[in-house]
Amino acid sequence: EPEVTQTPSHQVTQMGQEVILRCVPISNHLYFYWYRQILGQKVEFLVSFYNNEISEKSEIFDDQFSVERPDGSNFTLKIRSTKLEDSAMYFCASSDHPGDPLHFGNGTRLTVT
Amino acid sequence: GIQVEQSPPDLILQEGANSTLRCNFSDSVNNLQWFHQNPWGQLINLFYIPSGTKQNGRLSATTVATERYSLLYISSSQTTDSGVYFCAPRGGTYKYIFGTGTRLKVLA
Repeated sequence: EPEVTQTPSHQVTQMGQEVILRCVPISNHLYFYWYRQILGQKVEFLVSFYNNEISEKSEIFDDQFSVERPDGSNFTLKIRSTKLEDSAMYFCASSDHPGDPLHFGNGTRLTVT
Repeated sequence: GIQVEQSPPDLILQEGANSTLRCNFSDSVNNLQWFHQNPWGQLINLFYIPSGTKQNGRLSATTVATERYSLLYISSSQTTDSGVYFCAPRGGTYKYIFGTGTRLKVLA
């Protein structure tokens, strides 16, 4: 079964540094998402992306965050200047159509020190 | 946006017991998924169930969209069922909204 893959699985960075989290969605999917989960809490929506533009974003997704699909296979989340409170598990997901079920990657655990 | 509440928040079962997890949502939805988050943090798709009832082995799910709730049934629970169960309905936008989760521990 096709999978969403995320790299790295774990990233440690210092406060103020930029990080890029990478995702390869399922190849024929058109809709892409980032979610995050602070340790012990629920999974929160960050942003959805379709046709090379953001279709929806949450209040969490401020100017420090950006997304990009730099080529036909990768989908990235960039955090420009990390803060301690950005420490979380970040999940990428994709779907074929907006109503279809989401398929999630295994996540990237980001630790900001 | 949609508010999603799950109950109970925590559940401890003896192996072999049955349980029902509930998901209430505040508005009409077009789709709904149930996920199991295993101890390694992975989100595993269990069901895509906008309405009606589906079964997969020892698990089944029912969504009554008109009454704004969904139920997940676990029968003959096993220790490998431990983890957190999330429901995630989708309203009129692109995003699925996750509930508060039910943390399940199954004891051998």
